[in-house]
Amino acid sequence: AQKITQTQPGMFVQEKEAVTLDCTYDTSDPSYGLFWYKQPSSGEMIFLIYQGSYDQQNATEGRYSLNFQKARKSANLVISASQLGDSAMYFCAMREGYKLSFGAGTTVTVRA
Amino acid sequence: GAVVSQHPSRVICKSGTSVKIECRSLDFQATTMFWYRQFPKQSLMLMATSNEGSKATYEQGVEKDKFLINHASLTLSTLTVTSAHPEDSSFYICGLGQISYNEQFFGPGTRLTVL
Repeated sequence: AQKITQTQPGMFVQEKEAVTLDCTYDTSDPSYGLFWYKQPSSGEMIFLIYQGSYDQQNATEGRYSLNFQKARKSANLVISASQLGDSAMYFCAMREGYKLSFGAGTTVTVRA
Repeated sequence: GAVVSQHPSRVICKSGTSVKIECRSLDFQATTMFWYRQFPKQSLMLMATSNEGSKATYEQGVEKDKFLINHASLTLSTLTVTSAHPEDSSFYICGLGQISYNEQFFGPGTRLTVL
């Protein structure tokens, strides 16, 4: 069964605008972690933000924020003030134990 | 954070040959490393968990005799693709485990093309 679901294959966003990337997950483990990674065309995986299942507040890292809705099992990523350099593929991932399961990814293209 | 290197970054080989990919943890002793495979425009799929000093644990559907993993030291894990075929062409990424609960560290990846 799919553990991480990203329903948006691709998105376009205007420079300086905000964009929300959807992610839903499925687990019965009360302890888990949710990650977002950026993968530019070079292929490297760049860590963006982390949310623990017991964290009370939504995680934020600079222009990245995670909208964590535990009851809905969703962990959407919000990128504010988009920049041309944000164009990349974005993956949501869930940690159970030390293993990561990844979603299918969302390709974001920022337009000038 | 931990620094992870992979070598080579890109390799092209003929069908039927074997290719070895190295993953090194430069500043952390990793008892566990992960190997992922990523086809173009697709997600990362965990292939196996590499454990220092013991046999690797393979995910369902991954042929252990085709993808040989050796984790001989705390800083080096290798993935050997034996008798490579064009369908093995992919992007292979290693990751470090057991460092912290809130971050995972990845190597820069190796792009394998089998002709």
